[in-house]
Parts: sequence; structure tokens; C-alpha cells
Amino acid sequence: DAGVIQSPRHEVTEMGQEVTLRCKPISGHNSLFWYRQTMMRGLELLIYFNNNVPIDDSGMPEDRFSAKMPNASFSTLKIQPSEPRDSAVYFCASSRSGNTIYFGEGSWLTVV
Amino acid sequence: AQTVTQSQPEMSVQEAETVTLSCTYDTSENNYYLFWYKQPPSRQMILVIRQEAYKQQNATENRFSVNFQKAAKSFSLKISDSQLGDTAMYFCAFMKRVWETSGSRLTFGEGTQLTVNP
Repeated sequence: DAGVIQSPRHEVTEMGQEVTLRCKPISGHNSLFWYRQTMMRGLELLIYFNNNVPIDDSGMPEDRFSAKMPNASFSTLKIQPSEPRDSAVYFCASSRSGNTIYFGEGSWLTVV
Repeated sequence: AQTVTQSQPEMSVQEAETVTLSCTYDTSENNYYLFWYKQPPSRQMILVIRQEAYKQQNATENRFSVNFQKAAKSFSLKISDSQLGDTAMYFCAFMKRVWETSGSRLTFGEGTQLTVNP
């Protein structure tokens, strides 16, 4: 079975540009999570969806960040405008009804 | 709110030896899961082992086993016959068990960097 698929794997962008990260959860999973990992703050939950509905977005840093899940097989995390402090590894993860959460390989974002 | 604490930022072990990573947690929940995830230099988060709190038997996956002490809120990971490929950051994580379909989230510890030396 395919795991959680994220794209792009690596992105380097200039400050002020829009960044869109994409995620395809594991088929049949109904919960989707976006995490961010930095050296300073470790792993942070940004937002999670259940059945395509955002349940908790309290971890979203500020209005520059937005996430959508238009259907059960696709989600995006958008940063507009991007800033150097947004540089991090962004993980998408999914699970089935509160069971084990499986992670994608991560998207490495560098904002210069 | 739940908290997870890993008090060992770094550990090292010789190849083929056994090492134990510590984790403690705090929660008022009675039904939950505990996990160990491994993050090698590639940064991928890989599930190592899972423990359900209502099960008294400690989980085991090949060379990996846990010592789950529910009353003490302790959840340590033992790696036997350590291999060079075990070198990674190891995260302990907590997740409340939910019965409805509202989903649940992971709370992570700070991580322990394990180095296996040849």
C-alpha cells in the first residue's frame, strides 16, 4: 500500500513568495495532520482534519498560513507570504479514526 | 493537557549491545496509546512500536520492546542487538484513544538522539 505522499520533497523560495505544500493521505484514512519540525521548537501540530473538516487549527502560526482539505484524498498547506522563519520540515500524516498515525517523508522548506 | 518528557537528549551504544531509552508522560486520561517513532538522518518519521494503555502485556517488535508502567506513567524503549542502522532520533508520543470519529492528535517528547557505534 502507498504511504502518505507529500510534494514537493524540497523547496527553496525567496522571502515573500507563496509556498504550497501538498499531501495525499493513505487511502481509507479519515484524519489528516500537518506538523512542522524545527530545531528550536521540535515537532508542532499545525492543524488537523477529520473527515475533511478542520478540527483544531490552534497551532497555525498566523494568518500567513492556511490549510485546506477539499476531499478525502488531498490536502494543501499554503504560506503566503513566506518568511525565512518558516524554514522547516513540514510533515503530513494520516490515520484511521484515532488509530496509529503514519507520516509522509516530509517537505523541506527553505525560505531565503 | 498531556505532556511527554524524554530526559535523555543523547545516548550512545556499541553495536550488538542493548540500550534503553526513557520516556515519562502525564495525563488524566485512562484510555490512550503510546508510541515510539524513529527519525533517521533522512528525517522520515517511522513508527517503531505501539502500546495500548489497556493492555498489560508489553509490546514487542523484533529487537524493539517496551517497558510500560501505567501507574508510574513510564514508557521506555529497549533496543536489543543494536545495529548501525538504529542510529536516529527517537521520539516518544502520546495519543488519547477516541471512540468516535473525531480523530486524535499526537503529543511528542523532545526526542533522544541515539548513536550506535561500530
